[in-house]
Amino acid sequence: GQSLEQPSEVTAVEGAIVQINCTYQTSGFYGLSWYQQHDGGAPTFLSYNALDGLEETGRFSSFLSRSDSYGYLLLQELQMKDSASYFCAVRDEVDSNYQLIWGAGTKLIIKP
Amino acid sequence: GAVVSQHPSRVICKSGTSVKIECRSLDFQATTMFWYRQFPKKSLMLMATSNEGSKATYEQGVEKDKFLINHASLTLSTLTVTSAHPEDSSFYICSAGGGDRLEQYFGPGTRLTVT
Repeated sequence: GQSLEQPSEVTAVEGAIVQINCTYQTSGFYGLSWYQQHDGGAPTFLSYNALDGLEETGRFSSFLSRSDSYGYLLLQELQMKDSASYFCAVRDEVDSNYQLIWGAGTKLIIKP
Repeated sequence: GAVVSQHPSRVICKSGTSVKIECRSLDFQATTMFWYRQFPKKSLMLMATSNEGSKATYEQGVEKDKFLINHASLTLSTLTVTSAHPEDSSFYICSAGGGDRLEQYFGPGTRLTVT
């Protein structure tokens, strides 16, 4: 089957750094994406890794190791507004369509 | 990023009635649109993938006669929940993307409550 594993909840302090891990087991793989979703809102795209290594975008970075079927999202200088759920998703091709296979999400709780 | 709108944002309907949800990509032509369902504090569950001008591909366990999807143009896809039941109450989200686009752009979602 296809599965993505990520922690259900992570707690961190404002101003700190937090890492959210994601391991995946899928039949195909075209890349690993990260999305942020605030309560009651829709997911918004954060990053995408197709190749091994670290991608940095401001305070957020995302890492991928294809040999380990593993990636992580790194959030630095945490702000209260970063409190949200974070989903990893594998981009796969199904019936000639690219689809996202989603993890269950990690709820990030930030304390002052 | 691209803008995707969804209408209505909230709808309350009675059991047995049908509800149509519209998803529009406002600033790009979306060859592929996705419909998701999300229960509280849960992940997104893909319901179907719709390509413009062809029949939608439904995920296993999703009734295609109950959840009618039409993708008549490159900017509009609709989801109609037919003969709605209280268990259909959920948050429905569409996204547009596919092809060479690496990311999916999500609409703001529609909260459906069936009484």
